[in-house]
Amino acid sequence: AQSVTQLGSHVSVSEGALVLLRCNYSSSVPPYLFWYVQYPNQGLQLLLKYTSAATLVKGINGFEAEFKKSETSFHLTKPSAHMSDAAEYFCAVSEGSGYSTLTFGKGTMLLVSP
Amino acid sequence: NAGVTQTPKFRVLKTGQSMTLLCAQDMNHEYMYWYRQDPGMGLRLIHYSVGEGTTAKGEVPDGYNVSRLKKQNFLLGLESAAPSQTSVYFCASNRKSNQPQHFGDGTRLSIL
Repeated sequence: AQSVTQLGSHVSVSEGALVLLRCNYSSSVPPYLFWYVQYPNQGLQLLLKYTSAATLVKGINGFEAEFKKSETSFHLTKPSAHMSDAAEYFCAVSEGSGYSTLTFGKGTMLLVSP
Repeated sequence: NAGVTQTPKFRVLKTGQSMTLLCAQDMNHEYMYWYRQDPGMGLRLIHYSVGEGTTAKGEVPDGYNVSRLKKQNFLLGLESAAPSQTSVYFCASNRKSNQPQHFGDGTRLSIL
């Protein structure tokens, strides 16, 4: 069975500071990994995805994530936070082979202060 | 480009009432999903469909039914609403199971 753990339900940063949102997964087979962002009163939007190609994945809005198999991690980073990055972020995993549904983490709310 | 459209956006029900949430997608996607989102719980899968005429149970299916009579539509039904079903419901779809899912804007449902 697959699962996702997001460390920290809330993360606070200052504008211009590094953003680091942590995600650890478990999967019995090589996984597909995703980060989604949710702005208030909206659905989820895809930020980036890992599908067994390059381990460093670049996404939209300056975000990137690195797949580390040895640590079973897929942490999301952005070098410099912007006020518009304030949102809730979800990590999700699916098993890469065959049919598999997505399993989501519980989310991390990113707060950005001026 | 409409993408995934959910109807209605808001609804208030009384305990015991029934209702149907509609999800429509115009991307010719095979797979469709219904999730519920509760504070601190992330998104939990209620039911999903791998094609027209098929449905399957997800993580939290009790109290809900679904139908996929047309490829573009996926309906979620509550036969006898309970306060525990107060939540925000999201529909999503994708072309293949391991591709990113496209989400609707959600239906906020309150049951009194």
